[in-house]
Amino acid sequence: QKEVEQDPGPLSVPEGAIVSLNCTYSNSAFQYFMWYRQYSRKGPELLMYTYSSGNKEDGRFTAQVDKSSKYISLFIRDSQPSDSATYLCAMSHASGGSYIPTFGRGTSLIVHP
Amino acid sequence: DGGITQSPKYLFRKEGQNVTLSCEQNLNHDAMYWYRQDPGQGLRLIYYSQIVNDFQKGDIAEGYSVSREKKESFPLTVTSAQKNPTAFYLCASSSRDRDGDEAFFGQGTRLTVV
Repeated sequence: QKEVEQDPGPLSVPEGAIVSLNCTYSNSAFQYFMWYRQYSRKGPELLMYTYSSGNKEDGRFTAQVDKSSKYISLFIRDSQPSDSATYLCAMSHASGGSYIPTFGRGTSLIVHP
Repeated sequence: DGGITQSPKYLFRKEGQNVTLSCEQNLNHDAMYWYRQDPGQGLRLIYYSQIVNDFQKGDIAEGYSVSREKKESFPLTVTSAQKNPTAFYLCASSSRDRDGDEAFFGQGTRLTVV
């Protein structure tokens, strides 16, 4: 079992839909949770960063962390065609003084007009 | 503007050659990382460095080497020992100056063996 599981999709939704992207993980030591957006042939761009459990909102994006279930989510409201990209979850914990991110495989999102 | 610069954007390597990928950051970050990305496999850690003159192997270090002589620079050499080097290579850095940190990425180098 991989440490971080993420459904690769693709996930196809109409413009304006609410999108839910999810990851599960097995290592209960993870404390820091990130979501990245990656357009084709580009480097990942950090979208959201959350420490421990709870919700965090930034514009149309909401990140949720449920440590008891080892489950994190990213919600995108009023999705736009420009949101079409691969979304990567990542998480880390302190290990020997470093916080090395472990990534999911990424979910491909397609928002069609 | 602060950021991470990877060069070149595209790189072609002949069989048996070593090639070096450049990664420079002006974010004053202590930690730097190299990841490899293959279709459908996500990001896999090659090497990381938490401080100048120190680096550690990641999950797939075989066939790769790195150096960290300056805080700003973390070049990756893909050696001829790497059996399947064609991939998208991503460099990242993070600050490590608070309780955990987030990693910021460069725009990647696409390496192709010809």
